[in-house]
Amino acid sequence: TQLLEQSPQFLSIQEGENLTVYCNSSSVFSSLQWYRQEPGEGPVLLVTVVTGGEVKKLKRLTFQFGDARKDSSLHITAAQTGDTGLYLCAGHNFNKFYFGSGTKLNVKP
Amino acid sequence: NAGVTQTPKFRILKIGQSMTLQCTQDMNHNYMYWYRQDPGMGLKLIYYSVGAGITDKGEVPNGYNVSRSTTEDFPLRLELAAPSQTSVYFCASSYYMDEQYFGPGTRLTVT
Repeated sequence: TQLLEQSPQFLSIQEGENLTVYCNSSSVFSSLQWYRQEPGEGPVLLVTVVTGGEVKKLKRLTFQFGDARKDSSLHITAAQTGDTGLYLCAGHNFNKFYFGSGTKLNVKP
Repeated sequence: NAGVTQTPKFRILKIGQSMTLQCTQDMNHNYMYWYRQDPGMGLKLIYYSVGAGITDKGEVPNGYNVSRSTTEDFPLRLELAAPSQTSVYFCASSYYMDEQYFGPGTRLTVT
């Protein structure tokens, strides 16, 4: 099993604050994806990172893939209530995806 | 386009019963996947398929079977249901090893 650990598990912040979510593994992945999941729905892809050291920006969200392709981070600037949800990272190797256990984010108004 | 559809949305099974979870996609995707998500956890891959007629095991295949006779359909079969199979089941599809599109899930309780 290729384990992906996410931290923190839970995060409750005020609107306007910044936050970072981490996804770590001892395994090397050919790519890594970040998803957001709302209650009662399936996950929706936010971004895919492929190259070690890669940084991608999606409006207020910044994603980074570690140089060794074992870890990744998601940084949200000036969080909004609409960012509330479960954030999942997923590493890809040999036709399979391995998901982390998720970070549950609650942004309070 | 409907995307990925799953039926049923909810199901309660008694221990030892069997059932099939249906999954259909209309995006002509080659890859299809079945995951389970336990409360407060991430998703674990049960089975996947890279095309019609080809299936392979994921991380947690025991107690499940799949088939892929067409590009569109990827049913998941539970034989002899056990309480440990209580979970939310998600089907997903992708064109290649890229963005996965997920269905709305099936919430299964085994009592």
